[in-house]
Amino acid sequence: GENVEQHPSTLSVQEGDSAVIKCTYSDSASNYFPWYKQELGKGPQLIIDIRSNVGEKKDQRIAVTLNKTAKHFSLHITETQPEDSAVYFCAASDRDSNYQLIWGAGTKLIIKP
Amino acid sequence: DTEVTQTPKHLVMGMTNKKSLKCEQHMGHRAMYWYKQKAKKPPELMFVYSYEKLSINESVPSRFSPECPNSSLLNLHLHALQPEDSALYLCASSQDWSSYEQYFGPGTRLTVT
Repeated sequence: GENVEQHPSTLSVQEGDSAVIKCTYSDSASNYFPWYKQELGKGPQLIIDIRSNVGEKKDQRIAVTLNKTAKHFSLHITETQPEDSAVYFCAASDRDSNYQLIWGAGTKLIIKP
Repeated sequence: DTEVTQTPKHLVMGMTNKKSLKCEQHMGHRAMYWYKQKAKKPPELMFVYSYEKLSINESVPSRFSPECPNSSLLNLHLHALQPEDSALYLCASSQDWSSYEQYFGPGTRLTVT
């Protein structure tokens, strides 16, 4: 079955700098890759997603890139702000997994003022 | 509006108690999910309801009993829980079971004493 690895487990960046979180997946049939942001005491919030027919997607300060050949995808956050501090989870899904989300372990992003 | 609501926000119960968690969405979604999340871990899928019928049960112990009274509501009935069941219980919904995008509620923080 699918396996998703996420790195790093903790990322500390200076406010205003960029942050990059990387995930790799094992099942080449996976075709949907969401990113969730989870703030302390809250549920995961879908912030951006990408499908396998697209290489890059942007939404204001966040972007996701997908390399199907290498089976990895990344979350990029530019001009980081204190409110970006949270745990970020990547996931992968496809029809073979009954559309269930296979999650990465999470990255705790700390924005230093 | 991508809002999923959950009540209560916090719940403390003894091992002999019976309690219920409630989830509601008014997005017209026809798939609803229960997840369990332990600290510093990604969510783990427990149950999936599709068109008010249980479609996936991830080998969850019978002390957890889900119920879907209608397309907007999802309950999780709890009985004879163990301390290791203490966790954040998350509800999510998606347009239907083959829709990838899942939207999460804020969760119920459950403590079993």
